[in-house]
Amino acid sequence: AQSVTQLGSHVSVSEGALVLLRCNYSSSVPPYLFWYVQYPNQGLQLLLKYTSAATLVKGINGFEAEFKKSETSFHLTKPSAHMSDAAEYFCAVSAPQGGSEKLVFGKGTKLTVNP
Amino acid sequence: DAGITQSPRYKITETGRQVTLMCHQTWSHSYMFWYRQDLGHGLRLIYYSAAADITDKGEVPDGYVVSRSKTENFPLTLESATRSQTSVYFCASSAGQFRELFFGEGSRLTVL
Repeated sequence: AQSVTQLGSHVSVSEGALVLLRCNYSSSVPPYLFWYVQYPNQGLQLLLKYTSAATLVKGINGFEAEFKKSETSFHLTKPSAHMSDAAEYFCAVSAPQGGSEKLVFGKGTKLTVNP
Repeated sequence: DAGITQSPRYKITETGRQVTLMCHQTWSHSYMFWYRQDLGHGLRLIYYSAAADITDKGEVPDGYVVSRSKTENFPLTLESATRSQTSVYFCASSAGQFRELFFGEGSRLTVL
């Protein structure tokens, strides 16, 4: 069965600084990997998705993530944080199991951006 | 407007009462999901449906019932609410396996 570990439940950065949110996954088969963002009092929305094409995936709002099979990682980065990036971020993994899809989410990382 | 809508957005109920959370999507997506979000647990899958009249259990199905008689609707029922079911519930839909999930805005349920 697949699983996801997000390192750090809270990350704080200064505006303009690099954002790095860590995600490690476990899957017995090649996975699909996702990052979702949740703004306060809203549902989740997709930031980016890895589906075995390019290992470096670009998403919305300047975010990108790199799939590293050897490290079983899919860390999310953004070169320069904006105040509007303050939100909770979820990494998720999906892999075929018995013909069905089950998307498993990490516990989330809350990003704070300080002025 | 097209999208996925949940109702009610906020609900307070008492232990032992039956509660139904509604979910409606206008995209004709085949897949629909119910998640609950709790501090320290992230999102956990309760039930999902691959098509009308096809449902399956997720990670935490106990105490919940779902049905899907129409593609666009996927109600979640708590037959006898318990305090441990106090949570924020999210419905989501997807066009197919491994596709993007589209989430509703959530239903915040408090069980007293």
